[in-house]
Amino acid sequence: EDQVTQSPEALRLQEGESSSLNCSYTVSGLRGLFWYRQDPGKGPEFLFTLYSAGEEKEKERLKATLTKKESFLHITAPKPEDSATYLCAVWGSYNTDKLIFGTGTRLQVFP
Amino acid sequence: EPEVTQTPSHQVTQMGQEVILRCVPISNHLYFYWYRQILGQKVEFLVSFYNNEISEKSEIFDDQFSVERPDGSNFTLKIRSTKLEDSAMYFCASSEVPRRRYNEQFFGPGTRLTVL
Repeated sequence: EDQVTQSPEALRLQEGESSSLNCSYTVSGLRGLFWYRQDPGKGPEFLFTLYSAGEEKEKERLKATLTKKESFLHITAPKPEDSATYLCAVWGSYNTDKLIFGTGTRLQVFP
Repeated sequence: EPEVTQTPSHQVTQMGQEVILRCVPISNHLYFYWYRQILGQKVEFLVSFYNNEISEKSEIFDDQFSVERPDGSNFTLKIRSTKLEDSAMYFCASSEVPRRRYNEQFFGPGTRLTVL
């Protein structure tokens, strides 16, 4: 069964303190891995898609990387506005379009 | 920038009542989805819809649920007889091209359903 595990569950950072969020997955055939940002009471906001091991994507202070077992979301010099829950989702087995989500990492960045 | 919209933002209903949640997907997207998120839990897939029919559904999507594309812009989720455990945030999503290399799914803001 396809599974996604995110760690840590929660992360508190000082403004400017860089860190990484982890997403480990087990899937029979990874077709894509997605990162979303979710603010409280809102829908997931698309950030990145990664399709193959070794791939990297960047957007402002965020950088996503992918290996055969996990993905990292690196946050460089975060600002308070980066505070949110970051969700990882995998698009796995063939003949399916559903995304399987992890429970997310709740990030708080303090000034 | 195009976005998925959902109405209402919050729906309160009595157990056993029927509710219809509405979504307007991004206009050039062909594939539509419903997900739900029970408070404090994962986002979980309910159903996908393509070419006016259900493409895939989860175990959660039983006979009390149905989906419809009543016109060229709206996509609806109907829950026929709501239960307390249906209380959740319901998200609509859409993607441009199904089952191809690219499957970015864009989510709406959600409808919070509260069943009393």
